[in-house]
Amino acid sequence: QKEVEQNSGPLSVPEGAIASLNCTYSDRGSQSFFWYRQYSGKSPELIMSIYSNGDKEDGRFTAQLNKASQYVSLLIRDSQPSDSATYLCAVTPYFGNEKLTFGTGTRLTIIP
Amino acid sequence: DTEVTQTPKHLVMGMTNKKSLKCEQHMGHRAMYWYKQKAKKPPELMFVYSYEKLSINESVPSRFSPECPNSSLLNLHLHALQPEDSALYLCASSQAREGEQYFGPGTRLTVT
Repeated sequence: QKEVEQNSGPLSVPEGAIASLNCTYSDRGSQSFFWYRQYSGKSPELIMSIYSNGDKEDGRFTAQLNKASQYVSLLIRDSQPSDSATYLCAVTPYFGNEKLTFGTGTRLTIIP
Repeated sequence: DTEVTQTPKHLVMGMTNKKSLKCEQHMGHRAMYWYKQKAKKPPELMFVYSYEKLSINESVPSRFSPECPNSSLLNLHLHALQPEDSALYLCASSQAREGEQYFGPGTRLTVT
């Protein structure tokens, strides 16, 4: 079983709609959760971090964490063509551990 | 400011060459990382330095040699690489071990 799993996509969403990206993780003790956006040929860019159960909103982005279900998601409201990218979910296993485990990424395409 | 800089942006080297990749951050972060990323794959951790000491080596071949001269600088020395080592090499830094990691733009390495 992979440690961090994401649907590889591609996920196609009409412009202006809500894009929903999902991620599950296997280590129940995981503490820190991150979403990175990566454009083709570029480096990953941190867009959201979440550490406790519930929702965290930042502009058009909302991260949702459910530790009981070992599930973290990213919602992108009012999707724009510039949101087209690969989104990487990343998890650290416990506090004090530097190792960031990435999912394989979901490729998102926003259709104008 | 969350800027991590990397030089060079592109590097082409033969299998007998010796070259170095450089990374710099001025955010006061105490952990620095080297990742390798192949096309359509997530970043793969190579090394972690915490407080200028090597804390993680992910069984990387000895032809890759990391160095942390001070808290702001991270080098990756390359020697006798193989064509399969061609990839995007990413540097990242974080304030805390389990915290948010910020990536530099990467060095695109081609081994001929």
